Amino acid sequence: GNSVTQMEGPVTLSEEAFLTINCTYTATGYPSLFWYVQYPGEGLQLLLKATKADDKGSNKGFEATYRKETTSFHLEKGSVQVSDSAVYFCALRTGNQFYFGTGTSLTVIP
Amino acid sequence: DADVTQTPRNRITKTGKRIMLECSQTKGHDRMYWYRQDPGLGLRLIYYSFDVKDINKGEISDGYSVSRQAQAKFSLSLESAIPNQTALYFCATSDVSVGSPLHFGNGTRLTVT
Repeated sequence: GNSVTQMEGPVTLSEEAFLTINCTYTATGYPSLFWYVQYPGEGLQLLLKATKADDKGSNKGFEATYRKETTSFHLEKGSVQVSDSAVYFCALRTGNQFYFGTGTSLTVIP
Repeated sequence: DADVTQTPRNRITKTGKRIMLECSQTKGHDRMYWYRQDPGLGLRLIYYSFDVKDINKGEISDGYSVSRQAQAKFSLSLESAIPNQTALYFCATSDVSVGSPLHFGNGTRLTVT
């Protein structure tokens, strides 16, 4: 079946540190992959996406590359800020169905 | 104005009460979804609809029902609320195009006492 596995949190980093949140997936066919961010009290917002192998999605300094050979879509940012504190969800779409990881909470301390 | 609007934002109700959560969208999408979010469990799909005449159960539909009143409106009902339905509920929409993401509302925090 289809599923998404992402690293468990919580993750705590100092400001300007490098961030990696791991995400691997299992899917039939050729899924599209997404990262969403959820700030406290808000809904999930699309952060970036990739629709085919080797695509790199990027937004607000975050990046993730669709790696079909390792079935991965790891989220990275070179220098995190306090304002990046949030919960991050990896997700995939296959056909009209979406599958989500359980979320990774990130706290960035000054 | 938000593209996907959920009402109410917060609701406290008692066990056994019927409650309706409403969702409306201005994105023109045919596909609408209801998810439930619980700490440590991520998002779980309750119901989804691909058009007004098409309603489908998700992985956790027991205890819930939905109504698609129009392309833009999709409501979720709890016929007889129970405490383990306390959660954050999200409505979302998507376009049919390959690779199109889900667009979420800001959620309804429901507490059943």
